[in-house]
Amino acid sequence: AQKITQTQPGMFVQEKEAVTLDCTYDTSDQSYGLFWYKQPSSGEMIFLIYQGSYDEQNATEGRYSLNFQKARKSANLVISASQLGDSAMYFCAMRGNQAGTALIFGKGTTLSVSS
Amino acid sequence: GAVVSQHPSWVICKSGTSVKIECRSLDFQATTMFWYRQFPKQSLMLMATSNEGSKATYEQGVEKDKFLINHASLTLSTLTVTSAHPEDSSFYICSAQWPGEGNQPQHFGDGTRLSIL
Repeated sequence: AQKITQTQPGMFVQEKEAVTLDCTYDTSDQSYGLFWYKQPSSGEMIFLIYQGSYDEQNATEGRYSLNFQKARKSANLVISASQLGDSAMYFCAMRGNQAGTALIFGKGTTLSVSS
Repeated sequence: GAVVSQHPSWVICKSGTSVKIECRSLDFQATTMFWYRQFPKQSLMLMATSNEGSKATYEQGVEKDKFLINHASLTLSTLTVTSAHPEDSSFYICSAQWPGEGNQPQHFGDGTRLSIL
């Protein structure tokens, strides 16, 4: 069975600072994908970044980067230069690479960005 | 733009009513869609996997007779909450995976907030 653990219920950061949101995972699959989603208070799920288990380089998408440490089974999200609009709930998720498999989510981290 | 459309966004109804929620994939065919449920400040919990042309696969603890799922076409899955009660009040959100390899993200609808009085 797959499991995602996010141990930070809430994080606080000031504008323009960087912040790291932690995520560890457990799976017996050799091939899998790790995802981060952002959920603002309005509820929609916004895809941020993806890391494949065989990717050798850490994924980056604009201000988002994923610190992937496979041996430690961690996939932390780094947000650089935080903005007020980054305040939201952030979910780490994983999925096996077989077609038709669902994402399994962690409990989420609420990020609050202050000016 | 949105790739998955979910309707309605809000539903408020009396106890005992059945409520249907639609999830449509836009501009792509989704043989598999997923239904999640989310309580306030909690995570998304997978309810069921909806497969086009076959029966849905429900997660343990989800009542299949309570939450009816129909995936009649490659672009539409529906979730019907039958004889809804206040404890069914929640945020329901669907998703579909973009066709292709497993590295493709799941795209989510905007969710449906269901309130049963």
